[in-house]
Amino acid sequence: DVKVTQSSRYLVKRTGEKVFLECVQDMDHENMFWYRQDPGLGLRLIYFSYDVKMKEKGDIPEGYSVSREKKERFSLILESASTNQTSMYLCASRPYEGGETQYFGPGTRLLVL
Amino acid sequence: KNEVEQSPQNLTAQEGEFITINCSYSVGISALHWLQQHPGGGIVSLFMLSSGKKKHGRLIATINIQEKHSSLHITASHPRDSAVYICAVIRPSGTYKYIFGTGTRLKVLA
Repeated sequence: DVKVTQSSRYLVKRTGEKVFLECVQDMDHENMFWYRQDPGLGLRLIYFSYDVKMKEKGDIPEGYSVSREKKERFSLILESASTNQTSMYLCASRPYEGGETQYFGPGTRLLVL
Repeated sequence: KNEVEQSPQNLTAQEGEFITINCSYSVGISALHWLQQHPGGGIVSLFMLSSGKKKHGRLIATINIQEKHSSLHITASHPRDSAVYICAVIRPSGTYKYIFGTGTRLKVLA
């Protein structure tokens, strides 16, 4: 079974803090994704990585950056957390583009105070 | 208007009922994905389809490419089917992009 893990299920941070969300997949997938999920809006893509050290902005990259130094690990960084970044963050991976299914992690619920 | 629309947004059913959740989209796609999200957040893949119909246990998914519409059916519904069901379309190959619907929250009462 494919396993995608995220470093925390719940996280509480203060405004202005730097926040790291880690995602690890164990199936040697090339593609990894970070989404945020907000009520009434569905999942929105923040950043996408198609290979090590390669990244592309998604629909809502402002206020976020990412790092992919190793194939199995994709990190989302909130440089200076703000209250409007309170959300559920979901990581996903898939083996290659072209229609293969995405495998999701359990999600991190982030609260920024 | 969203590119992927789901209906209904919320649905309450009695155990044993036949349930239908609809997904309409307005963009070209290579495939459509039905996902299930349980309370607590984890998302699992139910079906990926690009034509026709797929069945897995009590779940059936259909897609009509000409009408840009897909349905997810649950037969003999059970309280453990209570979850949010999300439709996502996959843009044609050459891009990475998934577009997600906002989900249908299903509650099945015993």
